[in-house]
Order: sequence, then C-alpha cells, then structure tokens
Amino acid sequence: DIQMTQSPSSLSASVGDRVTITCRASQSISSYLNWYQQKPGKAPKLLIYGASSLQSGVPSRFSGSGSGTDFTLTISSLQPEDFATYSCQQVYFTPPTFGPGTKVDIK
Amino acid sequence: QVQLQESGPGLVKPSGTLSLTCAVSGDSISSSNWWSWVRQPPGKGLEWIGEIYHSGSTTYNPSLKSRVTISIDKSKNQFSLKLRSVTAADTAVYYCARRWAGATAGLDYWGQGTLVIVSS
Repeated sequence: DIQMTQSPSSLSASVGDRVTITCRASQSISSYLNWYQQKPGKAPKLLIYGASSLQSGVPSRFSGSGSGTDFTLTISSLQPEDFATYSCQQVYFTPPTFGPGTKVDIK
Repeated sequence: QVQLQESGPGLVKPSGTLSLTCAVSGDSISSSNWWSWVRQPPGKGLEWIGEIYHSGSTTYNPSLKSRVTISIDKSKNQFSLKLRSVTAADTAVYYCARRWAGATAGLDYWGQGTLVIVSS
C-alpha cells in the first residue's frame, strides 16, 4: 500500500493565521490527492480533490497544491470553525489510503 | 440533498459477522457514482474498506478482501457491508460514503457513522 505521511501531526494557531499542512506519498501519485476536514464525532468533509480543486461549497480560504509525492493544504486566514483534523488521501493506487491526520487547535 | 444513513448492530461477538446497511436518499444508487465503506478505529486514522458500482462491480482493500462482501439493493436504494470473522481489531466507526466516477474523485457525501464494537 502507498504510505501517506503528514506534518506536523498537530499545530496550535490563532484566528486569522495562515496555516500550512504538508502531505507526502511514498510513491508518486500525480495529482490524485484529496483533503478532508473532520471534527470530533463527525464524518469527514471533502475540501479539495485532484490536489488543487476546491469542492463545491468549501470556502476559498482553503487551497491545495502539489503533485508527485509532495502536497500542501493551506488555510489563508484561520476561522473559528476551522479547528479540526485534516487528512489527505491518495486515490492513484488501490487501495486508496489516508494520512494519519493533522490536528489544528486553538493557541 | 444527498443523505446516507448507516444502520446495523453496534455490538458483534468475536468470530461473528459484522453487517451494516447504508440507506441512500436524494440520489439514485443506480447513478454514476461509486458507493463506499470507510472505517475509523477509535482515536486512529481512516481506512478504506471497499466500494461498489450499481452494476455490481466491486473493489476491496486487499487487507480485508478475504473477509468482506459489499452488495447493492437497487429496489431499496441501499448498499450493504458484511465483514466476517471479526476480532477486536475491527472495532471502529464505520462510514458509508459516495464517490463520483472520476479519476481524482473524492468521497463527497458521508453518512454520520456508526460505532461497531467487537466484544463478547
């Protein structure tokens, strides 16, 4: 299976901060990378697909970039509702695999 | 609005079979989407279990393939998961989800999730 790693595993930030989360694949996955947001006790929510395409209804402060093995999720100005865990998912190889998650909490 | 709702027993005995159903509303299970199962052990990350298309075509996670069956019921607009020979390691929140039919497609609609505990 393709291993997905994320850094950092957690971070503390303030409202208004710019936040960047990195995801790395153990092999090249082109742009076949999705990002999800998950809040405690809730199902994940798709934010970004195809590495950089914003899912319908997702605020434009979220953006994604990267290709090959290295990817980034950026939140341009952190809002109170953005405190959550963010996970990447590769869909290039079967089985699709998820990263371990990055928890974003309040500083 | 597309909605998915999981149902099934919350407690399964070791060596038994975990059976869950996902009822879909707001979309036809015969549409051009794949219907997926994902699980999340308590405090851990997400694991993809498998998916099914309305044609009956399935894809499974190789790590679970020998124990998993995903099926579809078009008449009830729902799909199901069976996981055999369960152990405590199968304790998790189980989610059903929809994936559109595209190469880079993500899981765009999810059920609320149901916790299944494997214990005697």
